[in-house]
Amino acid sequence: DVKVTQSSRYLVKRTGEKVFLECVQDMDHENMFWYRQDPGLGLRLIYFSYDVKMKEKGDIPEGYSVSREKKERFSLILESASTNQTSMYLCASSPADRVQETQYFGPGTRLLVL
Amino acid sequence: AQSVTQLDSQVPVFEEAPVELRCNYSSSVSVYLFWYVQYPNQGLQLLLKYLSGSTLVKGINGFEAEFNKSQTSFHLRKPSVHISDTAEYFCAVIPLNTGFQKLVFGTGTRLLVSP
Repeated sequence: DVKVTQSSRYLVKRTGEKVFLECVQDMDHENMFWYRQDPGLGLRLIYFSYDVKMKEKGDIPEGYSVSREKKERFSLILESASTNQTSMYLCASSPADRVQETQYFGPGTRLLVL
Repeated sequence: AQSVTQLDSQVPVFEEAPVELRCNYSSSVSVYLFWYVQYPNQGLQLLLKYLSGSTLVKGINGFEAEFNKSQTSFHLRKPSVHISDTAEYFCAVIPLNTGFQKLVFGTGTRLLVSP
């Protein structure tokens, strides 16, 4: 069965802290994605990666960076957390075969920045 | 650029009643269409997708959707809902001319099923 796991379900951080959100998939998928989900805005793509050490900016990359050192792991980094980064963060993965492949989502990390 | 509109932010319905969740999209190129569902405190999972062929697509849990190219719509339907269908539903598109799986999501519709 397909599985995407995220390191924390809930996280509370202070303004200015460096924050790491980790995502691991066990399906040997090439593609991995980070989204943020906000009420009334749906899901917005932050970054995605189609291979190890490769990354592409999504629609809202400002204030975020990512790291993909191993195929199964994709990390989202908030260099200096701000209150407007309080949100739900969802990780997803998919095989690279075709554009229309299904994306498989993790359960999400709800981040509160105080 | 593509955009997806889900006009209804919330749809209340009684158990065993039919439901339709509306989705309209805007795109200058052809798109693939998806419906994802998010149950409380969970990630998203795929309900169904339209790639080509028959415009009526059947998905999991008794849901179906119909692609209407002239109206640029992809409405989701279920003839009889259950309490367990209470969730948030997201419509999404991927343009055919892109090299990446960049989903563009709507803002979501919360389905509230009451007894």
